[in-house]
Amino acid sequence: GAVVSQHPSRVICKSGTSVKIECRSLDFQATTMFWYRQFPKQSLMLMATSNEGSKATYEQGVEKDKFLINHASLTLSTLTVTSAHPEDSSFYICSASHRQGGTEAFFGQGTRLTVV
Amino acid sequence: DAKTTQPNSMESNEEEPVHLPCNHSTISGTDYIHWYRQLPSQGPEYVIHGLTSNVNNRMASLAIAEDRKSSTLILHRATLRDAAVYYCIRLKTSYDKVIFGPGTSLSVIP
Repeated sequence: GAVVSQHPSRVICKSGTSVKIECRSLDFQATTMFWYRQFPKQSLMLMATSNEGSKATYEQGVEKDKFLINHASLTLSTLTVTSAHPEDSSFYICSASHRQGGTEAFFGQGTRLTVV
Repeated sequence: DAKTTQPNSMESNEEEPVHLPCNHSTISGTDYIHWYRQLPSQGPEYVIHGLTSNVNNRMASLAIAEDRKSSTLILHRATLRDAAVYYCIRLKTSYDKVIFGPGTSLSVIP
């Protein structure tokens, strides 16, 4: 089956620094990837839609200058949390849509970000 | 707006069947019904999906009402590893945004 890998799985950073999270589709090409974040005991919240070769589309209330998304290739999207603060500590999850279509979304294993 | 409603939580005894309901009364004719589950500290995992007919796979069965306004995910014999949050989602294609509701938190009692 299709595999989506996130890296790192866990990261701890100091307040004010930036952190980059990678989302890779390992065995398929993904023209569209999605980024979510999830706070404890809550559901996943969609942050943005990332399309290969174009600017990401952000959901209402998500700061595009704080959460930089780059989707430079058909197998890689990155999310950079800039000037991270403790309130950005969360579980970040990506999903990828197969270039050939279909109806199934493939999710990464998630990245636990802790800002201290 | 997740556009589906599910009970917040359910319990099952180990090795017994579990029926997880989902209402999607405003579903359109081209929406597929997908089920994903999320184990603690992991990303969501695909379980099953269907359009109109009932579906079976190695993980579960999906029973879809004739009017498509509701569906039921059936785990035939619950195991401790099935304890997770189960999400019922409507999708036309994989390019659609997935809006997650709170899902159903399933507890499995040994």
